[in-house]
Amino acid sequence: SYVLTQSPSVSVAPGQTARITCGGNKIGSKSVHWYRQRPGQAPVLVVYDDSDRHSGIPERFSGSNSGNTATLTISRVEAGDEADYYCQVWERSSDPVVFGGGTKLTVL
Amino acid sequence: EVQLVESGGGLVQPGGSLRLSCAASGFIFSNYWMSWVRQAPGRGLEWVANIKQDGSERYYVDSVEGRFTISRDNAKNSLYLQMNSLRAEDTAVYYCARDLRKEGISFDYWGQGTLATVSS
Repeated sequence: SYVLTQSPSVSVAPGQTARITCGGNKIGSKSVHWYRQRPGQAPVLVVYDDSDRHSGIPERFSGSNSGNTATLTISRVEAGDEADYYCQVWERSSDPVVFGGGTKLTVL
Repeated sequence: EVQLVESGGGLVQPGGSLRLSCAASGFIFSNYWMSWVRQAPGRGLEWVANIKQDGSERYYVDSVEGRFTISRDNAKNSLYLQMNSLRAEDTAVYYCARDLRKEGISFDYWGQGTLATVSS
């Protein structure tokens, strides 16, 4: 089955830019979606179809996807952005919905 | 406002059964595919199953195929997950989620989840 690979953790200082990557074979040919999950809370859709922001998500959040890597970029990082971030694709296979393992974003 | 509220979780012995429910409001439930997604303690997200608007198509992750059944009642704006032959590895928070189908398939609204614990 298709595998999405995320770095376990990313750390960034407030006001800086965080880049969270999601690797997969020819992922650039798929639509990639990103979720934020704060501790003890349900996931929230942040970006869908590579680069479209879900309603209520600030413009500081953007997505891109090319080749074997998709990226979620968070500009001007704030303390409230600290969370786990998951990428996800839909794949035509026996297990069609695939999530990455998640990246913990720490705001220093 | 879209709301999804799960219920039905609890403690069950291995081999036992649980039925999870999800009450939907704030949107036309019968217009959307719906899914269940789970998260084992301290682990990542795992999609479990989804169901078409009229219930005519249902899909499952391999690990629950034949043990879990997803269903819906559009008249009651409700989604269900019948879980049989439960195993310790089914222990997780189960989220109800609405499918967003544009270029790809994502999940645009989630409930707060209900915890199912399988243990003797």
